Amino acid sequence: NAGVTQTPKFHILKTGQSMTLQCAQDMNHGYMSWYRQDPGMGLRLIYYSAAAGTTDKEVPNGYNVSRLNTEDFPLRLVSAAPSQTSVYLCASSYSKPPGLAGVPYEQYFGPGTRLTVT
Amino acid sequence: DQQVKQNSPSLSVQEGRISILNCDYTNSMFDYFLWYKKYPAEGPTFLISISSIKDKNEDGRFTVFLNKSAKHLSLHIVPSQPGDSAVYFCAATANAGGTSYGKLTFGQGTILTVHP
Repeated sequence: NAGVTQTPKFHILKTGQSMTLQCAQDMNHGYMSWYRQDPGMGLRLIYYSAAAGTTDKEVPNGYNVSRLNTEDFPLRLVSAAPSQTSVYLCASSYSKPPGLAGVPYEQYFGPGTRLTVT
Repeated sequence: DQQVKQNSPSLSVQEGRISILNCDYTNSMFDYFLWYKKYPAEGPTFLISISSIKDKNEDGRFTVFLNKSAKHLSLHIVPSQPGDSAVYFCAATANAGGTSYGKLTFGQGTILTVHP
């Protein structure tokens, strides 16, 4: 298994440009998430998907996602702003089986995309 | 509104000694807590977790303690090794209707440096 893969590793974008960050997992995980990591802020959840066909926005503006299948969860920056300069991390995990109480499954993270908006 | 806080940005420890990393949370709905470790240019990797119904969980050199009344958890690493040098993130999650365990709320992270 490749696990969670992200492309590109690095990118520089100009203000106002758009871009799609790619994320894919080959573990048949239901849950997928996007986080951004900023110094002194930890990781902040941007978007979340519990299954193919569903998404849940956690921050108000500037990002868009689609979950057309189980494997892929691309994150689109619609009109990039310098405040979106960050390291973007994609994660996935098994969904909790229906009817079972108990522990959440471990989240697996990709290596991240370092994005700079100038 | 930082619901999970790691108030120590960095910690320096001698090899062989104990490392104690602390984490505080404010949301009473959190019922599961996790620690992740992150090396530069890599994604975080899961280290250890604890349910809110327990007060201690141990895995080899790593032990997590939970004090629910104080809304505080800590990660103990004994003995510390140079390879443990990394950023450690505390995270919390809540099972709201069985669908929210995929969402983690992270602290700011603590940079641990273990000196040989």
